[in-house]
Formats: sequence, C-alpha cells, structure tokens
Amino acid sequence: GAVVSQHPSWVICKSGTSVKIECRSLDFQATTMFWYRQFPKQSLMLMATSNEGSKATYEQGVEKDKFLINHASLTLSTLTVTSAHPEDSSFYICSARAINPTSGTDTQYFGPGTRLTVL
Amino acid sequence: SQQGEEDPQALSIQEGENATMNCSYKTSINNLQWYRQNSGRGLVHLILIRSNEREKHSGRLRVTLDTSKKSSSLLITASRAADTASYFCATGRGAQKLVFGQGTRLTINP
Repeated sequence: GAVVSQHPSWVICKSGTSVKIECRSLDFQATTMFWYRQFPKQSLMLMATSNEGSKATYEQGVEKDKFLINHASLTLSTLTVTSAHPEDSSFYICSARAINPTSGTDTQYFGPGTRLTVL
Repeated sequence: SQQGEEDPQALSIQEGENATMNCSYKTSINNLQWYRQNSGRGLVHLILIRSNEREKHSGRLRVTLDTSKKSSSLLITASRAADTASYFCATGRGAQKLVFGQGTRLTINP
C-alpha cells in the first residue's frame, strides 16, 4: 500500500516550452502532497505544499508563476514548469501524506521522481 | 533553510561490514526520519524515531536519537551490495514540511 506514481519519469523539452508533471497516490487519498526539487548529488529541497481544493503554499524563493501547482483531486497533484529554461533542469520528486496503516504514523510517501532536461 | 547535516558525505565499505551514518539538526523536532534513495530514483522511507525515543530497530537498521546533542545515527549491520544508495535524514513535525539533510552516499563493495 501507499504507492505514489509520477508521470512522466523523464522528459526532454526545448527552452521556452511548458512541462506538466503528474503525481498520483494510487491506493490512498492524500489531502496534502509535496513537491521537491533535487540537483545532482544534492539533497531534496521543498518547493511547495499542495493542498487539495486550495492554493499551494510555496517556499521562499520559489516562483509560483513559474511552477504552477494544481491539486484537483484527492489522488492527483500536477506541477507545471512554465517557460522552462536550462536552469530548470532537475529531478522533481513528489510525495503524498498518509497514515501508515501498520504503525499509525503520519508520514510522506515519495514518488519515483521525474527527470526534466531543458535544452 | 537546510536543517540536517550528515556525515560522512560518502562512505565506502566492504560487504558484510557495518555502516554508520550521522545526522545533526538545529532546531527542536517532533520526530526524525531516515530515507534511502537509489541513484536516480525516489525515496524509500526506512524508519521514524520520535523525539521521546532514544533507539529504534528495524531489521538490520538501528537508529539512535540524542535530542540533547541534536543528533541521530543510522547503523546498517551486515551490509549488502543492495544497500548501496544515498541515505538522508529528515526532520519535521509529523509529515509536514520535511527538511532533509545533505545525505550520505554509501557504497558497499562486494
């Protein structure tokens, strides 16, 4: 249980285009999802918190008009990188908040990530 | 801001040996979690230790937490080649806004 998927797993696009990344919780509902960004050999940096039915909360320094987040249902959040540029090339990872059925612990389950390359 | 700092940044050991990774953090926490990330993949949750716990075990994993020193350690016993990955500690309040350490890249040599 508690599986999170991301689509696509990798994408290459031209500079100036927009790219949409989907994050789905497959076997549970998630009112809260998170989007992270990871550069090579570095740690994960939280970009924004996505809440179902409301606006996302962005971390300081993250441009909300550049990284559009939509959490339209309890199982789907999307991240759209608008007018992508080479510096946006990165590994984007989402997570979904859920209660572990075994331990009862409130935790995050991570998707496999999406590698974005902007040419 | 990045809260966790991990050391070593990279660790290479022989299969069968034990691997120890350390994590330090700056502010008070409710819990601390450890995750594993294989190259180019997502994160796998390993273990959560609450602030009122000092030690926790899960299979070959042993995690300790010292809130007075604001530090935690992850011990992997009898390491296997499949344990090769990056390991991150993360602090937060429940599942909200996890802050990740820089990670330790562990290599298990056969």
